[in-house]
Amino acid sequence: KQEVTQIPAALSVPEGENLVLNCSFTDSAIYNLQWFRQDPGKGLTSLLLIQSSQREQTSGRLNASLDKSSGRSTLYIAASQPGDSATYLCAVRGEGTSGSRLTFGEGTQLTVNP
Amino acid sequence: DTAVSQTPKYLVTQMGNDKSIKCEQNLGHDTMYWYKQDSKKFLKIMFSYNNKELIINETVPNRFSPKSPDKAHLNLHINSLELGDSAVYFCASSQIYRRYGYTFGSGTRLTVV
Repeated sequence: KQEVTQIPAALSVPEGENLVLNCSFTDSAIYNLQWFRQDPGKGLTSLLLIQSSQREQTSGRLNASLDKSSGRSTLYIAASQPGDSATYLCAVRGEGTSGSRLTFGEGTQLTVNP
Repeated sequence: DTAVSQTPKYLVTQMGNDKSIKCEQNLGHDTMYWYKQDSKKFLKIMFSYNNKELIINETVPNRFSPKSPDKAHLNLHINSLELGDSAVYFCASSQIYRRYGYTFGSGTRLTVV
C-alpha cells in the first residue's frame, strides 16, 4: 500500500527566502507525481506534474524534482512571497490495478511573513 | 472556462437526511473521482468512474452511492447522513492513461448537525 509523507508539516519563513518542501513515498512503482496548492477553504490547484521518466519540472519560481528510485520529491520555491502562503500537497499516481488513483501526503502548511 | 465544477459549495443539513452533490467536467476527461478531505485535511479517494463504469470503490459506507450518467458527470448521493460525514468532498477528473494529471473541483463543504 502506497504511503506518502511530507516534511515539514508546517513552515514559517520571512519573505524573500528560498525554501524546500519534501515528499517521500514508499512504493516507487509510480506513473507520476503531482504537486498541488490548497488555499484555506478552497480547492486544489495543480502546480507541477512530473512523469516517472522525468527528473524535474519548472514553472516560474517553482521547481520540482523527482527521484523515483529513492521515493523522493522536492518542491523548491524561490524568493518566497506572502502570496505563496498555502498548504502544499504532494500526490503520487501508482502503477498496477490501482493505478488510476492519486495517493496524497498530509501536506505542508507554508506561511510567508512580510 | 474549462474546469471541474461542483454544486453546492456549502451544504448544512440535519442528521438522517439524504443529500446529493453534483459534479461536472468539461475537460473531455474520461475518468472522474470523489475524494474526501477530513478534519485533519487528509485527502482520500472514495470512488472512481471511467466512462460511466465504476473502477474504484474504496471502503466507504454503502450510504454513499455515486452515479455517473455520462462521462462528464459524476454525482454523489448520501443517505441517512451522520455527524461523521461532515467533511469537504472534492470531485476530480483525469484521463485513464496514467501520464495525465488530475484536475480538482473547488469542493463541497458538508456539515451535518
